[in-house]
Amino acid sequence: DGGITQSPKYLFRKEGQNVTLSCEQNLNHDAMYWYRQDPGQGLRLIYYSQIVNDFQKGDIAEGYSVSREKKESFPLTVTSAQKNPTAFYLCASSSVDEQYFGPGTRLTVT
Amino acid sequence: DQQVKQNSPSLSVQEGRISILNCDYTNSMFDYFLWYKKYPAEGPTFLISISSIKDKNEDGRFTVFLNKSAKHLSLHIVPSQPGDSAVYFCAASDLNAGNNRKLIWGLGTSLAVNP
Repeated sequence: DGGITQSPKYLFRKEGQNVTLSCEQNLNHDAMYWYRQDPGQGLRLIYYSQIVNDFQKGDIAEGYSVSREKKESFPLTVTSAQKNPTAFYLCASSSVDEQYFGPGTRLTVT
Repeated sequence: DQQVKQNSPSLSVQEGRISILNCDYTNSMFDYFLWYKKYPAEGPTFLISISSIKDKNEDGRFTVFLNKSAKHLSLHIVPSQPGDSAVYFCAASDLNAGNNRKLIWGLGTSLAVNP
């Protein structure tokens, strides 16, 4: 069935390591997004991509990188330059404006 | 600067009563508005939307009202049920933003429906 997959649900890494979060969709949506949610805060946009091979920085792109080589996939790399990487990461896709979200990945960096 | 504001961080209502969640925006270019519901440790789910050419949209127990002159929208849930307890996010979009189109999110309102 159609939807957005994020894996894994929980991810643990040591400080100083890069880590890549996976996001796959089979909804045939052109646009994909990465958000971060911290306790007591709303959704903050990290990166978004409206089309394959193109992406734009969101509000908090520093310390993150993305690629969009395929329509279905939009992986997010959390680099060692990200000062506070521990958070709940959400991936979404959309065809127009209604965004559909994956289940999220909780990343813990110690 | 927050372009979409949800000024009430939390709301508590009795089961069966009406829940009213409010949202204000500052950007007059916004012309499409959405409400999302989010449970802890899950992704938000789309609830209901409204275009700026309308002032009301209804879907079952959920109704969204838009007052463009006041730059204000509200989500009404009637009757409220315990399963409605979640965080509700208001979001807005500028349909004329072209390739830069994205949703601008409020910080959310946590709704608790008490049995």
